[in-house]
Amino acid sequence: EAQVTQNPRYLITVTGKKLTVTCSQNMNHEYMSWYRQDPGLGLRQIYYSMNVEVTDKGDVPEGYKVSRKEKRNFPLILESPSPNQTSLYFCASSSDRGLFAKNIQYFGAGTRLSVL
Amino acid sequence: DQQVKQNSPSLSVQEGRISILNCDYTNSMFDYFLWYKKYPAEGPTFLISISSIKDKNEDGRFTVFLNKSAKHLSLHIVPSQPGDSAVYFCAASFVLSNFGNEKLTFGTGTRLTIIP
Repeated sequence: EAQVTQNPRYLITVTGKKLTVTCSQNMNHEYMSWYRQDPGLGLRQIYYSMNVEVTDKGDVPEGYKVSRKEKRNFPLILESPSPNQTSLYFCASSSDRGLFAKNIQYFGAGTRLSVL
Repeated sequence: DQQVKQNSPSLSVQEGRISILNCDYTNSMFDYFLWYKKYPAEGPTFLISISSIKDKNEDGRFTVFLNKSAKHLSLHIVPSQPGDSAVYFCAASFVLSNFGNEKLTFGTGTRLTIIP
């Protein structure tokens, strides 16, 4: 079954304690992204990756890091979490169909993070 | 600055009737539009999309209309069914945004409730 898997689904942590949210996809997709969803703001892109070792900032990258060492995995790292990073996080992936072809992004089930 | 807007946070519709969800956008560079559906505790799932070269796309009970001059799109669901109760997100993208970035710009969502 084609899927994007995020772990953990729920996480409560304290300010400053480093954490990693994992994301894995089994569709051999080139593109992967992280979004956060906040009330009244929709989903906003944090970081994206076009392929292995190729990553770049999205709209709200401050306080986050990512890495793409393998095609299937795209972890989101919070080196020193703060309460304003309390949010619902989604990982997404899509395939590379060329510059002018449109791709559908597939989303994971989400990770609800609370930073105290 | 919210580039994609869904001005109705919620909508209730009788089962069997038509549901119409609306979305407005401000960035004239957007050339591809999507609707995603989201159930609680799940990630958004792709529903239907439309390219800016079209004004209508239909898929079973779902039809998306695009009015480029008004920068407006709508999703019609007919007939509405109880399983359609979910949050619906409108999203937009354009090819040359951060070359290669598959970023979607989302609206804030509309919660649709189908009344049996």
